[in-house]
Amino acid sequence: NAGVTQTPKFQVLKTGQSMTLQCAQDMNHEYMSWYRQDPGMGLRLIHYSVGAGITDQGEVPNGYNVSRSTTEDFPLRLLSAAPSQTSVYFCASSYPKGGQETQYFGPGTRLLVL
Amino acid sequence: ILNVEQSPQSLHVQEGDSTNFTCSFPSSNFYALHWYRWETAKSPEALFVMTLNGDEKKKGRISATLNTKEGYSYLYIKGSQPEDSATYLCASNAGGTSYGKLTFGQGTILTVHP
Repeated sequence: NAGVTQTPKFQVLKTGQSMTLQCAQDMNHEYMSWYRQDPGMGLRLIHYSVGAGITDQGEVPNGYNVSRSTTEDFPLRLLSAAPSQTSVYFCASSYPKGGQETQYFGPGTRLLVL
Repeated sequence: ILNVEQSPQSLHVQEGDSTNFTCSFPSSNFYALHWYRWETAKSPEALFVMTLNGDEKKKGRISATLNTKEGYSYLYIKGSQPEDSATYLCASNAGGTSYGKLTFGQGTILTVHP
């Protein structure tokens, strides 16, 4: 199993550009999430999904869109990139365990917005 | 949004020292407390998920305790080794949801000097 994969590993954008961060998992996990990691702030939840066709907002959803058309894929879209979105983005997946779900993280995407 | 705090922010110890750090979280509506270990240039990996007051978990030289009434958890490392150097993250579930919307602390950065 590849686990959780993310592409690209690194991306530079100009302010106002759009892009999609890809995330895929091959563990048949129902739950998937996107986090961003900023210095001194830990991991913050952007959006999450509890199954195909179901998504919801996390702590910092503004400026990001998600969709979940398949169990395997959970792309994160930046519609109009801003310098404040410079961060490291982690995708994670888990299987339902009554609130005790262990998150399996991808390798991360480092995004720089100029 | 939960307030999950970790202390200290960073810690330097010598090889062979034992060490511990703290995670504090709101005790109301508690559901689960997670510990993750995050090595540089890698993804966070799960160490423990704890749910019951008084829980104690152990994995090799690393152990953790949980006090849900007062809202804290301790992570202990016995006989620290250089390979234990990492950021240790704790996370708490937001109020009993079936999907664990985890709120992460900012992490404790541990450096073990040979």
